[in-house]
Amino acid sequence: EAGVVQSPRYKIIEKKQPVAFWCNPISGHNTLYWYRQNLGQGPELLIRYENEEAVDDSQLPKDRFSAERLKGVDSTLKIQPAELGDSAVYLCASSLVVRSVASYNSPLHFGNGTRLTVT
Amino acid sequence: QKEVEQDPGPLSVPEGAIVSLNCTYSNSAFQYFMWYRQYSRKGPELLMYTYSSGNKEDGRFTAQVDKSSKYISLFIRDSQPSDSATYLCAMSYASSNTGKLIFGQGTTLQVKP
Repeated sequence: EAGVVQSPRYKIIEKKQPVAFWCNPISGHNTLYWYRQNLGQGPELLIRYENEEAVDDSQLPKDRFSAERLKGVDSTLKIQPAELGDSAVYLCASSLVVRSVASYNSPLHFGNGTRLTVT
Repeated sequence: QKEVEQDPGPLSVPEGAIVSLNCTYSNSAFQYFMWYRQYSRKGPELLMYTYSSGNKEDGRFTAQVDKSSKYISLFIRDSQPSDSATYLCAMSYASSNTGKLIFGQGTTLQVKP
């Protein structure tokens, strides 16, 4: 089974420039997540999609961050303009959520992330 | 105060040692508890996944959840150099199906040959 695929692996940009990250989830997974991991910290959720719908974007800085998941498969996360504090690893994860099972909470499978450096 | 606290280490042990990794949490609503392993420049990899209190064993790994104390542990028996990584605890709420995991800071483990 192919895992979660992310690209690019590394990105270095100057502040105020735009940047975009791409994610292809595990086949059949209906739920997709973007997490941000700062150096020495655990990942923090930015946005969660169920199929095409963003169902939790409360932690997404909407003034500069945007995301989309067209056709409920691949997703892109964009930052415009980037700031120095955006330097981090951006992780994509996917899972299968089955709402007919009330207590089921599918574990997440992560990609290897995109390491962003803003100079 | 963070919802999930984890000692960042680093923790250095000799090969073959028993390793104990721990997290404490403050929100009693957490019901799902996970341990992820993260190698350098890789994404987190799910190791253990437990629901509510109790123990779960998988090979050399044992996860324990003590909800009364709001404390979870991961034990690694016969540790190997290949176990050298950062270990992240994570937890989520019951029946919400949100997949919103709250992670600890991660503990860096080094197993020396």
